Amino acid sequence: AQKITQTQPGMFVQEKEAVTLDCTYDTSDPSYGLFWYKQPSSGEMIFLIYQGSYDQQNATEGRYSLNFQKARKSANLVISASQLGDSAMYFCAMREGQGGSEKLVFGKGTKLTVNP
Amino acid sequence: EPEVTQTPSHQVTQMGQEVILRCVPISNHLYFYWYRQILGQKVEFLVSFYNNEISEKSEIFDDQFSVERPDGSNFTLKIRSTKLEDSAMYFCASSPSGGRLSQFFGPGTRLTVL
Repeated sequence: AQKITQTQPGMFVQEKEAVTLDCTYDTSDPSYGLFWYKQPSSGEMIFLIYQGSYDQQNATEGRYSLNFQKARKSANLVISASQLGDSAMYFCAMREGQGGSEKLVFGKGTKLTVNP
Repeated sequence: EPEVTQTPSHQVTQMGQEVILRCVPISNHLYFYWYRQILGQKVEFLVSFYNNEISEKSEIFDDQFSVERPDGSNFTLKIRSTKLEDSAMYFCASSPSGGRLSQFFGPGTRLTVL
């Protein structure tokens, strides 16, 4: 079974509008972390935002926010005021358990295209 | 801002040859990782390394793979006898500690096996 599911292979948004990229996850571990990474066409993986399973509030980092709905096991990324430079692949990832050695499990990604 | 660096950025090799991919993690980080991404696919975990030993590895990380931290700064991934299906982008990542802190990725090495 997939641990991380990103159901949108591609998304389009107009510049300056907001967009939501979906991510659902599957775990029975009460302690986990959820991450979003951006991968532009140049290939590097850029960390965007983190949400811990025990965090009371939704994470925010500048124009990025995470809509964390624990009961639904979803961790959607919201990008406000889209910019042309936001065009990239976006990956949702999960780390299960405590400590620092745990692997990240990635979803298949969503390709976001921002139109002028 | 400190960052993870990887060399080379692109490596082309013949099937059956050995390759060593190099990484310099962020200096005060303690946990190190290798991931790979086959073109057009998702990122897959290979191995994690802490306190000079492997802490976790995936089923992809078979006997042809090895990792080493030969000195205080470098972290290497060796593929002993490359196969065509090893062609991928290989990412090194590091993390300062456990808990909520993220893994920071290097720019990747694109490995092409001919």
